[in-house]
Amino acid sequence: EAQVTQNPRYLITVTGKKLTVTCSQNMNHEYMSWYRQDPGLGLRQIYYSMNVEVTDKGDVPEGYKVSRKEKRNFPLILESPSPNQTSLYFCASSLSVGGYEQYFGPGTRLTVT
Amino acid sequence: GIQVEQSPPDLILQEGANSTLRCNFSDSVNNLQWFHQNPWGQLINLFYIPSGTKQNGRLSATTVATERYSLLYISSSQTTDSGVYFCAAGANQAGTALIFGKGTTLSVSS
Repeated sequence: EAQVTQNPRYLITVTGKKLTVTCSQNMNHEYMSWYRQDPGLGLRQIYYSMNVEVTDKGDVPEGYKVSRKEKRNFPLILESPSPNQTSLYFCASSLSVGGYEQYFGPGTRLTVT
Repeated sequence: GIQVEQSPPDLILQEGANSTLRCNFSDSVNNLQWFHQNPWGQLINLFYIPSGTKQNGRLSATTVATERYSLLYISSSQTTDSGVYFCAAGANQAGTALIFGKGTTLSVSS
């Protein structure tokens, strides 16, 4: 089944404890991205990647890192999480940049205390 | 950048009713998608429809790109249709994000 998977789905952590949210897609997509969803602010893009080893900042990249060492994986790294990073995170992928349908993962609900 | 506006913000229906959700976007797009966010927070792809009309069961969508709007039709609504419906548009530039509207919250009661 074609899908985007994320792990973990739920995470409660403490301020400053490094964490990684994994994202994997099995559709051989070139383009992958991360969004966060917050009440009143909607969904906003954090980082995106147009291909292996090619990443760029989205609208809200502060406090996050990403890497794209393999085509299928695009992990999101929070090196020193803070409470304002409490959010619902989505990974997405599409065949390429531009006018292609984007497929979203199931979401990761992160709480930073 | 592109702006996406959805209306109405809230919609309350009785089971069996029909509804139309609207999405206006401010610039030409090469991607237009409709999603349903279920109570567990998952974003379910409904339609990829940068132009034209598509149907999937009780749901259909139409995008008129030249007039910069898209419509989502829900017929014979069911309680399981409840949730938030998002429209998202992507502009004609490489690497740009999908820009999401604020959503329409649909409540269907039996």
